Amino acid sequence: DQQVKQNSPSLSVQEGRISILNCDYTNSMFDYFLWYKKYPAEGPTFLISISSIKDKNEDGRFTVFLNKSAKHLSLHIVPSQPGDSAVYFCAASENQGAQKLVFGQGTRLTINP
Amino acid sequence: DAGITQSPRHKVTETGTPVTLRCHQTENHRYMYWYRQDPGHGLRLIHYSYGVKDTDKGEVSDGYSVSRSKTEDFLLTLESATSSQTSVYFCAIGTQETQYFGPGTRLLVL
Repeated sequence: DQQVKQNSPSLSVQEGRISILNCDYTNSMFDYFLWYKKYPAEGPTFLISISSIKDKNEDGRFTVFLNKSAKHLSLHIVPSQPGDSAVYFCAASENQGAQKLVFGQGTRLTINP
Repeated sequence: DAGITQSPRHKVTETGTPVTLRCHQTENHRYMYWYRQDPGHGLRLIHYSYGVKDTDKGEVSDGYSVSRSKTEDFLLTLESATSSQTSVYFCAIGTQETQYFGPGTRLLVL
């Protein structure tokens, strides 16, 4: 049972335009959500996060939106740059002692010049 | 960058042999995690630790064991490696709000 789903395995966007990556979840107990970026042969690196008490969080070119009623979050990157080409993972967790993350399958983003 | 190293970075082994992967951190963090990454599955939690000698199972723990005798080291052991354990293994430290990952170990079981 996949609790966190990224239904688009890949996404191609032109440089300078907006990239929108989507993530859906099923567990209503999730209260913290994170986005990670991963280059080949490297570990995932943390990008941005959002708590369930908010519906938006911004950090430079990156904005995460959370729609709790739809159990959906999205990551907006604007403007997209060639260095943004990577695999993006969303992750979610419950506020309990274990501090565990549940990851989606990932979306490969390609930024075209 | 968080001070997390993994060793070895690459390993080829044969089915049925034991394998131990090591994660070392210099951040003195309480929580440590082992994940595996496979195509179509993202990252899946194998085991985690919430302190020295305190560990628990994750989503895909069958065939794996862990040990944490010191705060800085978290070992993952495959008692008898199988081809289904061919994967990339990542160690992480942190909490619900942010986890930092090591560079990964690529394991091939023949």
